[in-house]
Amino acid sequence: GQQLNQSPQSMFIQEGEDVSMNCTSSSIFNTWLWYKQDPGEGPVLLIALYKAGELTSNGRLTAQFGITRKDSFLNISASIPSDVGIYFCAGAGGTSYGKLTFGQGTILTVHP
Amino acid sequence: EAGVAQSPRYKIIEKRQSVAFWCNPISGHATLYWYQQILGQGPKLLIQFQNNGVVDDSQLPKDRFSAERLKGVDSTLKIQPAKLEDSAVYLCASSLSGSQPQHFGDGTRLSIL
Repeated sequence: GQQLNQSPQSMFIQEGEDVSMNCTSSSIFNTWLWYKQDPGEGPVLLIALYKAGELTSNGRLTAQFGITRKDSFLNISASIPSDVGIYFCAGAGGTSYGKLTFGQGTILTVHP
Repeated sequence: EAGVAQSPRYKIIEKRQSVAFWCNPISGHATLYWYQQILGQGPKLLIQFQNNGVVDDSQLPKDRFSAERLKGVDSTLKIQPAKLEDSAVYLCASSLSGSQPQHFGDGTRLSIL
């Protein structure tokens, strides 16, 4: 089946630093999504991308849909302690969100 | 609006026992999903419902897992009999339709002894 490789697996950064993480796939996706999951909670959608090459921002978060449709990256600028959590990329192959394939997650730790 | 509600939050059972999880989606959401999230991994889709019909259950281990959404609202996911490898968080999500973003509940954490 489809698999997403997400990197890095974990990051330890200082408050105020910028963060970059990415996701690659052997398959083409038509939609890329980025989620954040806090301990004991379900994933929360951060950004959704629908077109190859699309660059979308949500506050301090910026994500891009790769031109090949096989990759995506997420940047977080000026990190703050509440950015701590697990970030997941997810891809949908069809025109719907329906069948999402998730990456294995990037664990982000922010030191004050 | 109220989010996706799941219960119980935690469940501990012994292997070979049965267990059931309940999900109440956001009001008006026609599409409902069950995911399995093993520790250290991303969620994996088990089954997708559109109203009370199954859209995709290709990754559901049907020899032991079953799910239903009889009236097109609430849903239950059952495991019988449970195996050690079923230890995971079971997440329910819902969306207005299959082409809309999914909203997740906080999950049920299942531990198998």
